[in-house]
Amino acid sequence: EDKVVQSPLSLVVHEGDTVTLNCSYEVTNFRSLLWYKQEKKAPTFLFMLTSSGIEKKSGRLSSILDKKELFSILNITATQTGDSAVYLCAEGGGTSYGKLTFGQGTILTVHP
Amino acid sequence: EAQVTQNPRYLITVTGKKLTVTCSQNMNHEYMSWYRQDPGLGLRQIYYSMNVEVTDKGDVPEGYKVSRKEKRNFPLILESPSPNQTSLYFCASSTGGINVLTFGAGSRLTVL
Repeated sequence: EDKVVQSPLSLVVHEGDTVTLNCSYEVTNFRSLLWYKQEKKAPTFLFMLTSSGIEKKSGRLSSILDKKELFSILNITATQTGDSAVYLCAEGGGTSYGKLTFGQGTILTVHP
Repeated sequence: EAQVTQNPRYLITVTGKKLTVTCSQNMNHEYMSWYRQDPGLGLRQIYYSMNVEVTDKGDVPEGYKVSRKEKRNFPLILESPSPNQTSLYFCASSTGGINVLTFGAGSRLTVL
């Protein structure tokens, strides 16, 4: 059974801090690693990673995948209160594979 | 506006009373899927559909049915709801690569 585990489960920081969220996976046949952000509603897509060592960046957020050690990290620099959310990682998808396995999520709280 | 629409958004029902949660997308997406979200467990995939008349089980399909008779609609059917199906349900869709999911706003279901 495919498994995705995120850590920490929750994190409280102050504005300006840098945070690193972790996602490890055990899957039969790796396809892609995805990151989503969930505020008080539906998740929204952040990144898709398929190749090891290639960093994806979007503003203050970045993510990288290590296919040898089977994990990914999501970094947020100079955090803001608007970064407070649940961050979800998932494995699966691709062009012809419909299953997605999500981790439990990391609840990030950023205080002013 | 491109969106995924779920109804009802909130529902309280009783054990054994059949219900249907509708999901409709206006983006001509081939792929649609259903998830439930429970505290500490993240998102768990119930069923997915790669295209019309093509559906498959996710990780937690027991107690649920789906159908995909038209491209835009993917209803979730609970034939005989039980209290352990109390949850927040999300429908999602995407095109081509099954990674950049567009989620509906969620349906909060309580089974008494």
